Amino acid sequence: EPEVTQTPSHQVTQMGQEVILRCVPISNHLYFYWYRQILGQKVEFLVSFYNNEISEKSEIFDDQFSVERPDGSNFTLKIRSTKLEDSAMYFCASSPDGTYNYGYTFGSGTRLTVV
Amino acid sequence: AQTVTQSQPEMSVQEAETVTLSCTYDTSENNYYLFWYKQPPSRQMILVIRQEAYKQQNATENRFSVNFQKAAKSFSLKISDSQLGDTAMYFCAFMKHLTGTASKLTFGTGTRLQVTL
Repeated sequence: EPEVTQTPSHQVTQMGQEVILRCVPISNHLYFYWYRQILGQKVEFLVSFYNNEISEKSEIFDDQFSVERPDGSNFTLKIRSTKLEDSAMYFCASSPDGTYNYGYTFGSGTRLTVV
Repeated sequence: AQTVTQSQPEMSVQEAETVTLSCTYDTSENNYYLFWYKQPPSRQMILVIRQEAYKQQNATENRFSVNFQKAAKSFSLKISDSQLGDTAMYFCAFMKHLTGTASKLTFGTGTRLQVTL
C-alpha cells in the first residue's frame, strides 16, 4: 500500500536554528498538508498546499514557517528560527483530491525537539 | 469555525468487551465528513472509520462502528470485542466538504483508551 514518507523520524535542534522537515507524498496525490501535535495535545492544522501554492494556513503558520515542493516528489516544511515551543510531532499528509473522497494519508511523523 | 469536543480524556475496557467513545462537534455546514483516527504509541495517525454527513446509515468497519446523530451533532465510536491492540489515543475529526481546494481536518483533544486483560 502506498505510503507517505517523512524524514527524519526525530530531529533535535538548537533554539534559533533553521530546520527542514521532509516528506514524500504518495506519487499521484495532488494535495499536501502539514499538521502539528504538541506532546499530549491535539493535532492541529498548519498548512495545505496545492498547485504549487498555499491553499490555506492556520494562525500558527506565521512568517517563521514556509513550505515548498522543490521537485516532483518532495514536500518540505521549513522553520526559519526555531523556538522552544516549536517542539512537537509534525505530520505530513497527502490526498489525491482535496476532500476525503479518495483518501487522506498521514506519514508517520517527525518528532522535533528544540533545545 | 468548527469545533470538535471529546469529553472523555481516558477510558478503560476489558478485552473482548465493548466500549463507546464520545464525540460532539459544532458546525454551520451541511456537507461534511467525520472521522475517527487511532494513534498508537508509535504516534502514527491511522484512519479507523469515516462518515459522510449526507448518509443516514451509520458506517461500520469490522469491529468498529459509529452512531452518527446529525441533528444532535454527535458522532460516537463503538469498538466491539476489544483487543489489546486497540490500546491507543483516539481522535475524532471533522472536515468540511469543499470542491476544487484542499480541505483541512479539525481534531478533538482525544480519548486515551486502555484495553486490559
